[in-house]
Amino acid sequence: SQQGEEDPQALSIQEGENATMNCSYKTSINNLQWYRQNSGRGLVHLILIRSNEREKHSGRLRVTLDTSKKSSSLLITASRAADTASYFCATMNRDDKIIFGKGTRLHILP
Amino acid sequence: DAGVIQSPRHEVTEMGQEVTLRCKPISGHDYLFWYRQTMMRGLELLIYFNNNVPIDDSGMPEDRFSAKMPNASFSTLKIQPSEPRDSAVYFCASSFEPNYNSPLHFGNGTRLTVT
Repeated sequence: SQQGEEDPQALSIQEGENATMNCSYKTSINNLQWYRQNSGRGLVHLILIRSNEREKHSGRLRVTLDTSKKSSSLLITASRAADTASYFCATMNRDDKIIFGKGTRLHILP
Repeated sequence: DAGVIQSPRHEVTEMGQEVTLRCKPISGHDYLFWYRQTMMRGLELLIYFNNNVPIDDSGMPEDRFSAKMPNASFSTLKIQPSEPRDSAVYFCASSFEPNYNSPLHFGNGTRLTVT
């Protein structure tokens, strides 16, 4: 069963604009992680936010976490062509399994 | 560090044949995970190991699938006999301690096609 569900499934924006992706989950978590996957490659870890944190930044990435709503968002500011990829959130459930959502496909238009 | 290494990168086989996928985790990582990715089902966790011991294999779809980790630097995922519905990209990932501040490191996957 899937824990995290990303929204939207696909997103196309102009280069330079900001991209926002959302993730909702079902059970309590210790942390939530975001990953990026370029076509034909493995997933790459972007950022981890702990359950007692509300916001975290890393370069052009900003992640928020609302445990009361069981949701998280990933914001990519000033998007670039190289940001074109699929983005996944991942959570760990009580059985210590790390479960991924189906991802958001982000396309940056030139 | 070379990262997680998977082989082969591509595998094409006929239905009924045995398939073996291989993974070398990052040195020092205690956890190893096998995932399968398809368009329809996304990323599915098949099995994971801690210190070479299988902890949870509830995601393994059928008895045709088996995984081993004979030592800390090597794991295999075997499908016998293979079927067309097994066609997918199979990823291996490793981690120090995934629950606390330790992300997963993925290999580049093995794309399996069963005809």
